[in-house]
Amino acid sequence: AQSVTQLDSQVPVFEEAPVELRCNYSSSVSVYLFWYVQYPNQGLQLLLKYLSGSTLVESINGFEAEFNKSQTSFHLRKPSVHISDTAEYFCAVSFASGTYKYIFGTGTRLKVLA
Amino acid sequence: DVKVTQSSRYLVKRTGEKVFLECVQDMDHENMFWYRQDPGLGLRLIYFSYDVKMKEKGDIPEGYSVSREKKERFSLILESASTNQTSMYLCASSSLWGIAPLHFGNGTRLTVT
Repeated sequence: AQSVTQLDSQVPVFEEAPVELRCNYSSSVSVYLFWYVQYPNQGLQLLLKYLSGSTLVESINGFEAEFNKSQTSFHLRKPSVHISDTAEYFCAVSFASGTYKYIFGTGTRLKVLA
Repeated sequence: DVKVTQSSRYLVKRTGEKVFLECVQDMDHENMFWYRQDPGLGLRLIYFSYDVKMKEKGDIPEGYSVSREKKERFSLILESASTNQTSMYLCASSSLWGIAPLHFGNGTRLTVT
């Protein structure tokens, strides 16, 4: 069955420390991968995406994610977080399986501490 | 920039009422979606539409219906609201199915009492 797993429901981290938010998926077909961020009382915004090509993708605000096909992972990283990065982060996958379908993980709440 | 607008940020309805949630996008996207978001469950797909008057059930369609009479507008209908439909509802649109990212509205927080 196709699925997306975000193992960490909450991640507290001190300001200026590095962070990694984990995402694993299960699929026997090709995938497209996305990370979205949700700030309080807002909808989700695209943070970055992997469609093809280089397995390392970056966002404009310092996040990066690496597609690892052998480990079926797409972990999100930032070398130094800011208070403003406090938000909920969702990993999403679409599968090339007849009808494309977007499946979301359950989200990871990142809390940056001063 | 794509704008997806949900007509209400907060709604409070009574059990048994018929509820309409409206969503409009301004980028001529073919595909539109309705999700509900609940703590610990992430986003779950209720319905989606890939063209005007076309719709398909998502993972949790029970108790919901949708309407897409115009390309830019996608409505979610709760035929008879129940307390277990209290949730955050998110509308989204996209251009290329599966490849293009989703563009989300700010959500409607519905409370059914």
